[in-house]
Amino acid sequence: DTAVSQTPKYLVTQMGNDKSIKCEQNLGHDTMYWYKQDSKKFLKIMFSYNNKELIINETVPNRFSPKSPDKAHLNLHINSLELGDSAVYFCASSQGTSGYNEQFFGPGTRLTVL
Amino acid sequence: AQTVTQSQPEMSVQEAETVTLSCTYDTSENNYYLFWYKQPPSRQMILVIRQEAYKQQNATENRFSVNFQKAAKSFSLKISDSQLGDTAMYFCAFMKSRFTGANSKLTFGKGITLSVRP
Repeated sequence: DTAVSQTPKYLVTQMGNDKSIKCEQNLGHDTMYWYKQDSKKFLKIMFSYNNKELIINETVPNRFSPKSPDKAHLNLHINSLELGDSAVYFCASSQGTSGYNEQFFGPGTRLTVL
Repeated sequence: AQTVTQSQPEMSVQEAETVTLSCTYDTSENNYYLFWYKQPPSRQMILVIRQEAYKQQNATENRFSVNFQKAAKSFSLKISDSQLGDTAMYFCAFMKSRFTGANSKLTFGKGITLSVRP
């Protein structure tokens, strides 16, 4: 059974388009995250939700908007895509917000903006 | 702000040998967690090992162990009996331990590419 799943796995789109990436976890966790891995493989937190409430919102352009319809889902919508948005986006989840609680990562979504 | 530094961009090791990956970090926190994550070519992020800063004993997980030097802010990963499946990028990461949601973010180093040679 897939623990943290993301759709789609690959996304190729044109500049200026709007796209969404979906994330679902079946672990019963209450906290979910979005991380971005750039072309140099550097990973950085973008957002985190705990019980559907936004708790982490790093310095991210407001073209990026996360939405958590319930504890098992965290979607990422990106408006007006730019070349620099090309990256791998990882969703993760954990039970609780302590470092004691392992964060489980999804397989990643490779976004390519042309 | 916390920073995590992995100064070696890549390393190579012969199968069955031992390799040590270095990581240093900077923080003013006294309690925190440190992690090593593995990212194989499949792209999946996998937790290898975790260390709680208040624990003096170094964490071990089978062939993986850490050398945690709190005063030196150093957290190295030792892989014993290297296997071909250990070929991957390895990321060192830091997290504050205070129990507030805003602290639950992982701060990653730039990663190191490890190649295990047959």
